[in-house]
Amino acid sequence: DTAVSQTPKYLVTQMGNDKSIKCEQNLGHDTMYWYKQDSKKFLKIMFSYNNKELIINETVPNRFSPKSPDKAHLNLHINSLELGDSAVYFCASSRDRPYEQYFGPGTRLTVT
Amino acid sequence: RKEVEQDPGPFNVPEGATVAFNCTYSNSASQSFFWYRQDCRKEPKLLMSVYSSGNEDGRFTAQLNRASQYISLLIRDSKLSDSATYLCVVNTNAGKSTFGDGTTLTVKP
Repeated sequence: DTAVSQTPKYLVTQMGNDKSIKCEQNLGHDTMYWYKQDSKKFLKIMFSYNNKELIINETVPNRFSPKSPDKAHLNLHINSLELGDSAVYFCASSRDRPYEQYFGPGTRLTVT
Repeated sequence: RKEVEQDPGPFNVPEGATVAFNCTYSNSASQSFFWYRQDCRKEPKLLMSVYSSGNEDGRFTAQLNRASQYISLLIRDSKLSDSATYLCVVNTNAGKSTFGDGTTLTVKP
């Protein structure tokens, strides 16, 4: 059983489109995260949710909107996609903050 | 100054070598520390937690120095399969996780 899963694994889309990435964890964790890893491989936190409440928002453009329908899911919706949004997006979860995190396999987003 | 700094390397070592990575952090309120390993085009995976008392897992030893604000990872008897990027992570109690930019290790036959 996959602990943290993301869909889709690959996403190719054009500038200006709106897209969503879904994340689910079956670990019973309370905290979930979204990270962006750019072409230089730097991993940056975007959002963190604890029990469905937003606790961290790291100066991410308003075009990015996370949604947590329940503790096991954290989705990421991106409006008006730009070339600079091309990256790998990782979802992660942890028992609580600041415990160790477990990552999903990543979603490779390419904006053309 | 970055919140978490790592030597990017690359470190190129022969099999059997001992290699050490350091990571410094600037936030003295940081509460927990970890080392992750990331293989090419894969997700980061937890390697080990880092405690003030130090901890060891087989060939890997991690240590934390709160006074000097750095953590270290020592790999003994390097294997080809140890080739990867090693990321240090520093967490605050508020839930913020800051990853270092990673150190690339290549172990050669």
